[in-house]
Amino acid sequence: NAGVTQTPKFQVLKTGQSMTLQCAQDMNHEYMSWYRQDPGMGLRLIHYSVGAGITDQGEVPNGYNVSRSTTEDFPLRLLSAAPSQTSVYFCASSYHRQGGSYGYTFGSGTRLTVV
Amino acid sequence: AQKVTQAQTEISVVEKEDVTLDCVYETRDTTYYLFWYKQPPSGELVFLIRRNSFDEQNEISGRYSWNFQKSTSSFNFTITASQVVDSAVYFCALSDPGANNLFFGTGTRLTVIP
Repeated sequence: NAGVTQTPKFQVLKTGQSMTLQCAQDMNHEYMSWYRQDPGMGLRLIHYSVGAGITDQGEVPNGYNVSRSTTEDFPLRLLSAAPSQTSVYFCASSYHRQGGSYGYTFGSGTRLTVV
Repeated sequence: AQKVTQAQTEISVVEKEDVTLDCVYETRDTTYYLFWYKQPPSGELVFLIRRNSFDEQNEISGRYSWNFQKSTSSFNFTITASQVVDSAVYFCALSDPGANNLFFGTGTRLTVIP
């Protein structure tokens, strides 16, 4: 059971380049989300998805696109990278059932530097 | 809107001392969840505890204990007899009623000096 897998672990981009951060989970969780972590800011929600075909914006969505074509995958796209997007990105998946069972799993993170 | 405040930016203690990390939250929801995560120098997020808004019982897990007080909107975390391996950044987080979106505090960096 791999949990939440993020690739790549490290990436350097030039301003204006595009790239996709990959996130995959094998736990059949309905819910997936992307966060970014900046020094002194904690983690902030970028986008989330409550299921395949459904996505919504979080607290800091500008400059990022997402799609959810399958339950397993939730890629994050940077269409034109900017230095302000230099950050550590975490993907997460979760489920919450009536009766109280609950799980929330983070990936290991992607460190992105935009120069 | 949800908000989490961790007023302590950095704390240093000598090994074996007890230390309490403070967390104060704001929410208009009656149903919510509170979390603590540990982020060691390696960078991953390690889940420590989840508490729902209807359960104010304190919890103890080994050297860790949590004090949840709705009256003061606080969810403080105490490490007893701290160890060097406890050195990390600790995040408190608050979820929406669906328990799927987390709102994080800015974190407290704990350094345990041998």
